[in-house]
Amino acid sequence: EDKVVQSPLSLVVHEGDTVTLNCSYEVTNFRSLLWYKQEKKAPTFLFMLTSSGIEKKSGRLSSILDKKELFSILNITATQTGDSAIYLCAVYTGTASKLTFGTGTRLQVTL
Amino acid sequence: ETGVTQSPTHLIKTRGQQVTLRCSSQSGHNTVSWYQQALGQGPQFIFQYYREEENGRGNFPPRFSGLQFPNYSSELNVNALELDDSALYLCASSLVIQGNTEAFFGQGTRLTVV
Repeated sequence: EDKVVQSPLSLVVHEGDTVTLNCSYEVTNFRSLLWYKQEKKAPTFLFMLTSSGIEKKSGRLSSILDKKELFSILNITATQTGDSAIYLCAVYTGTASKLTFGTGTRLQVTL
Repeated sequence: ETGVTQSPTHLIKTRGQQVTLRCSSQSGHNTVSWYQQALGQGPQFIFQYYREEENGRGNFPPRFSGLQFPNYSSELNVNALELDDSALYLCASSLVIQGNTEAFFGQGTRLTVV
């Protein structure tokens, strides 16, 4: 059975800190890995990673994939209170473009 | 805004009843997927529709069924509701031509079964 595991499950940091969120996966027929941010309801797309070792960057957020070790990290530098959310990692598997999600990391950024 | 619209936003149903949830996908997208997200969990894949045909299904019983219409909007139907069906139901649309593209999610429908 396909599995995506995220760590830590929750995290509390001070504004300005840098955080690293982890995602490991064990799936058949890996196609790509996606990161989403979920604040209230709709997960909003952050990154899609297909190739190993190529960092994707958007402002203070960055992510990289290691297909040999089967994991990805999401980095957030200079955190702000607006970064408080659940961060979801998901993997596209198989031919049906099915996303298998982890349980998420709940990040809380305090002043 | 993702351009994916779900209705209703909230719903309360009684055990044993039936419910229909609706999703309008982003313009130009040909694929819609439905996910169930229980409290404290990641979304779980229910099924996917591509050009009006079911194109994959997760571990959900047959009382979960769906439809996709020619305009690529979609419905999720759940019969014989159980208390454990209480969850956030998310619809995601994507354009699948070759490989994968990012899936865009709607705001979800919060279903409570009492």
